[in-house]
Amino acid sequence: QVQLVQSGSELEKPGASVKVSCKVSGYTFTTYAMIWVRQAPGQGLEWMGWVNTNTGNPTYAQGFTGRFVFSLDTSVSTAYLQISSLKAEDTAVYYCARGMGLRSGRPDYWGQGTLVTVSS
Amino acid sequence: QTVVTQEPSFSVSPGGTVTLTCGLSSGSVSTSYYPSWYQQTPGQAPRTLIYSTNTRSSGVPDRFSGSILGNKAALTITGAQADDESDYYCVLFLGSGIWVFGGGTKLTVL
Repeated sequence: QVQLVQSGSELEKPGASVKVSCKVSGYTFTTYAMIWVRQAPGQGLEWMGWVNTNTGNPTYAQGFTGRFVFSLDTSVSTAYLQISSLKAEDTAVYYCARGMGLRSGRPDYWGQGTLVTVSS
Repeated sequence: QTVVTQEPSFSVSPGGTVTLTCGLSSGSVSTSYYPSWYQQTPGQAPRTLIYSTNTRSSGVPDRFSGSILGNKAALTITGAQADDESDYYCVLFLGSGIWVFGGGTKLTVL
């Protein structure tokens, strides 16, 4: 069955960087897009963008350019979200989700989420 | 910037029917926006309910249905049950590879 397993919670100081991983199983990694979604505490879902897992080409939503980077390691079927220069407002649960196709940014199967807390 | 709108909250009686909507700050939602719906309970990852307006995801009961009503996408729950009490989110395709979630609707079953 399709599974997306994310790395564990992170506690980081402002200004630091963090890298969240999302390892998939149950399907061929490079045949479906990978999407990233943010959910701040008590808030709704925010679509951050997606990456074509075949070409590595990312698409970022407005507000998620510059400090946010999507990357892949196809050899281990894993996607990564790196956030640099962390701010308190980056505190959130970050979800990875499989797209409905290689070029689809619409989430289908979801990871369990990774809580990133930014605090001094 | 285009905003996707949803009712902040809604309530329904057990066994009742409720329709949640998903609109745009300007313009009308059509099937070309490929509206999809997700259910989320506290502390859990979202679950896909409906995609491409009215296609149920695998395992989703048929009391959940999607449609276009007027100028909005709609999610209708027929015969509401206690465990339908959740947050519901829609997402729309805005072109150029970009999707946007609505703010979500908190559904209470009482």
